[in-house]
Amino acid sequence: EVRLLESGGGLVQPGGSLRLSCAASGFTFSTYAMAWVRQAPGKGLEWISSIGLSAGNTYYADSVKGRFTISRDNSKNTLYLQMNGLRAEDTAKYYCAKYLDGSGSKFDYWGQGTLVTVSS
Amino acid sequence: EIVLTQSPATLSLSPGERATLSCRASQSISSQLAWYQQKPGQAPRLLIYDASNRATGIPARFSGSGSGTDFTLTISSLEPEDFAVFYCQQRSNWPVTFGQGTRLEIK
Repeated sequence: EVRLLESGGGLVQPGGSLRLSCAASGFTFSTYAMAWVRQAPGKGLEWISSIGLSAGNTYYADSVKGRFTISRDNSKNTLYLQMNGLRAEDTAKYYCAKYLDGSGSKFDYWGQGTLVTVSS
Repeated sequence: EIVLTQSPATLSLSPGERATLSCRASQSISSQLAWYQQKPGQAPRLLIYDASNRATGIPARFSGSGSGTDFTLTISSLEPEDFAVFYCQQRSNWPVTFGQGTRLEIK
């Protein structure tokens, strides 16, 4: 059974940093691209970052480019999101998601999310 | 950036009725469209990918159609558990974008 378990969320002041983790199990983590998608309270889904099979292929939404860094450790089956320079508008539930296949176009499994609140 | 516009914003129907949800892309995305269902407090669930392929375990009452810029998600006969928010998503071009969602509510 595929499982994705996010952690690392919490309350942080504006300008602060957090690192989110997503522990994966039930599939061969190293053979799938992964992504982070967030959802502000009461709002829709916003893709923020994706990573290919190796750390060399990363993609970011303009809203987080230069502030967030996606990475993965295939030896630990874990996906990360380093978030720096956090702003109030980054407040959201952050989901990690697994791509269905090599096309890199759809997400077949999602974690339950971790909540990030940016507030003073 | 490709903008996905979903309509209607809210759809009120009764169990047993047919639901038709629309997603329009600001430029052609071929068939690279997925549909997700999200229930309150839950993560999104993949329903349809590549415009018309049902994901694993998705009931046959869910179907998708369309290509280019106009796409449709159809639920042939609504079950009580189908009421939720539905999102379309594309990755024909970066960045990945989602529609704003259609809320399907019980009438």
